[in-house]
Amino acid sequence: QQPVQSPQAVILREGEDAVINCSSSKALYSVHWYRQKHGEAPVFLMILLKGGEQKGHDKISASFNEKKQQSSLYLTASQLSYSGTYFCGTALHNRNTGTASKLTFGTGTRLQVTL
Amino acid sequence: GAGVSQSPRYKVAKRGQDVALRCDPISGHVSLFWYQQALGQGPEFLTYFQNEAQLDKSGLPSDRFFAERPEGSVSTLKIQRTQQEDSAVYLCASSLVRARGYEQYFGPGTRLTVT
Repeated sequence: QQPVQSPQAVILREGEDAVINCSSSKALYSVHWYRQKHGEAPVFLMILLKGGEQKGHDKISASFNEKKQQSSLYLTASQLSYSGTYFCGTALHNRNTGTASKLTFGTGTRLQVTL
Repeated sequence: GAGVSQSPRYKVAKRGQDVALRCDPISGHVSLFWYQQALGQGPEFLTYFQNEAQLDKSGLPSDRFFAERPEGSVSTLKIQRTQQEDSAVYLCASSLVRARGYEQYFGPGTRLTVT
């Protein structure tokens, strides 16, 4: 039930754009995006709830396609500070209770932004 | 306000020793989660508390792992008779929402090394 992330790694020059994808084979309640720098805590970026939506702040945005059970994270005009490992976490939808399951994280996408 | 704090930040234990890891969630946060993160992997769910009630402990790898949150605030993860495979970063996260599937805020983690 672990979500699949792609690509596994990406190297960008400052100012370039990137897209990170996260897909699940199960019906999702929510998709969470985090960024983690080496030796630090994962930092919450945004959450997308079922119903299909798009969110964004500053130059980072995300979409959630409920039909395909896929989410994409869009990084626009990347900055050096964007470097790190990006994780998507998915919570499944329990149709019986209408609530969410535990959060399951993907294996991460390592992003490096260079000058 | 202050974020999630964890202590100790680093712990070295000899195989067979017992360890206790502490988590101080964000004040007022009802939900608390423990995760285990192996090197190069995403966090893996261990257990979930809503206030003082442990509602899900399905991720605890063995009966050597025990977690408590007696007053609905601070939580302790205890590992008895540590083994080398227990070496990992243990992350604590808290959430304001009385349900899973919503944004979680992580602490810096405790890096446990079992020798």
